[in-house]
Amino acid sequence: NAGVTQTPKFQVLKTGQSMTLQCAQDMNHEYMSWYRQDPGMGLRLIHYSVGAGITDQGEVPNGYNVSRSTTEDFPLRLLSAAPSQTSVYFCASSQQGGKSIQYFGAGTRLSVL
Amino acid sequence: TQLLEQSPQFLSIQEGENLTVYCNSSSVFSSLQWYRQEPGEGPVLLVTVVTGGEVKKLKRLTFQFGDARKDSSLHITAAQPGDTGLYLCAGGGPNSKLTFGKGITLSVRP
Repeated sequence: NAGVTQTPKFQVLKTGQSMTLQCAQDMNHEYMSWYRQDPGMGLRLIHYSVGAGITDQGEVPNGYNVSRSTTEDFPLRLLSAAPSQTSVYFCASSQQGGKSIQYFGAGTRLSVL
Repeated sequence: TQLLEQSPQFLSIQEGENLTVYCNSSSVFSSLQWYRQEPGEGPVLLVTVVTGGEVKKLKRLTFQFGDARKDSSLHITAAQPGDTGLYLCAGGGPNSKLTFGKGITLSVRP
């Protein structure tokens, strides 16, 4: 039972570097989303997708890009990393969003120096 | 913007005690979910409530959705060290998006 798989688990970047956080789910869920979690801030929605080919911005989208070419994968791209993007990133998937169960990955811990 | 306020922010209690924590908003939500998150892991769903006034029980945990669907409470009876973790509430809103509260850090001492 893989569920939602995030890679890498840990990453250290220098300011200005780019990278892609990977997220894959094997539950055939239409709805996928990316959150960041910072101390005392809870989970904040970065981007989400309601199906392949459809993405939209969440609460804190600046500095991040996403694409959804397949149902299974929803990568998050940092184009030019900044120290303010140091955080723990969680990917989640669900059948419909909203009332549906959100299944979370184990997270990617990112430090930007 | 829909906001969820969770209280208290931190709670440290002795094993066997009872506790109640809250999730409040000025906005109406179509549903409300409670998650528990342990260190180094992603949140895991505990319960979803969708009807105003609804009460759901999960072993020693009792969840209630307010009549106006703006608030929720979580009551734990006879807390155990295994209940330690971060408790997050999340409200369902437009476009199937979830709004999360900042969480309640619970520590249950043996």
